[in-house]
Amino acid sequence: DSGVTQTPKHLITATGQRVTLRCSPRSGDLSVYWYQQSLDQGLQFLIQYYNGEERAKGNILERFSAQQFPDLHSELNLSSLELGDSALYFCASSVGKDTQYFGPGTRLTVL
Amino acid sequence: GDSVTQMEGPVTLSEEAFLTINCTYTATGYPSLFWYVQYPGEGLQLLLKATKADDKGSNKGFEATYRKETTSFHLEKGSVQVSDSAVYFCALSGRENRDDKIIFGKGTRLHILP
Repeated sequence: DSGVTQTPKHLITATGQRVTLRCSPRSGDLSVYWYQQSLDQGLQFLIQYYNGEERAKGNILERFSAQQFPDLHSELNLSSLELGDSALYFCASSVGKDTQYFGPGTRLTVL
Repeated sequence: GDSVTQMEGPVTLSEEAFLTINCTYTATGYPSLFWYVQYPGEGLQLLLKATKADDKGSNKGFEATYRKETTSFHLEKGSVQVSDSAVYFCALSGRENRDDKIIFGKGTRLHILP
């Protein structure tokens, strides 16, 4: 158990809908990262937050957004969903640079 | 930009065989290097890491040495078990940039036959 929790574990929705994925980092970790894992793209970095502020952006679509709250939990919002958004979404946390600890992931299926 | 290249799988071995999964990287400066493992139906777990040249990371019988001269971080295990069947990701975290994102290789699926 990495100490990072993600909810829900599975999410099934329809095209055009909007969903919110939630992540609670390990106690004391200030950084939260979001990654997308799909069969064709592999594991891709989406976005990083550090102590409530956005620190880095990767291959995140404009339809996607995230935020980190004062209690350090983070939410990833995915809107206008398309079939191609079906993937595993991982959250990770860290104290600073180097080792990131990953949550169990949320499997999103868009029908 | 920074990148990681690892051998394509799947790799199929018999139990107790020797394992090598090759990984090379491209990065500016001196990145930290990692191997993560993903067991079926689970998230990623850090297997081992190395933060500077010639460092050897090791865990659960796996080891990898940070080779700056060949920009490599090959994963090895002397005697694999069926329980080692998983997907293995080589990864790096650059030190030159403000962000801390990890760049992953495409993963190598490992099947161990009893």
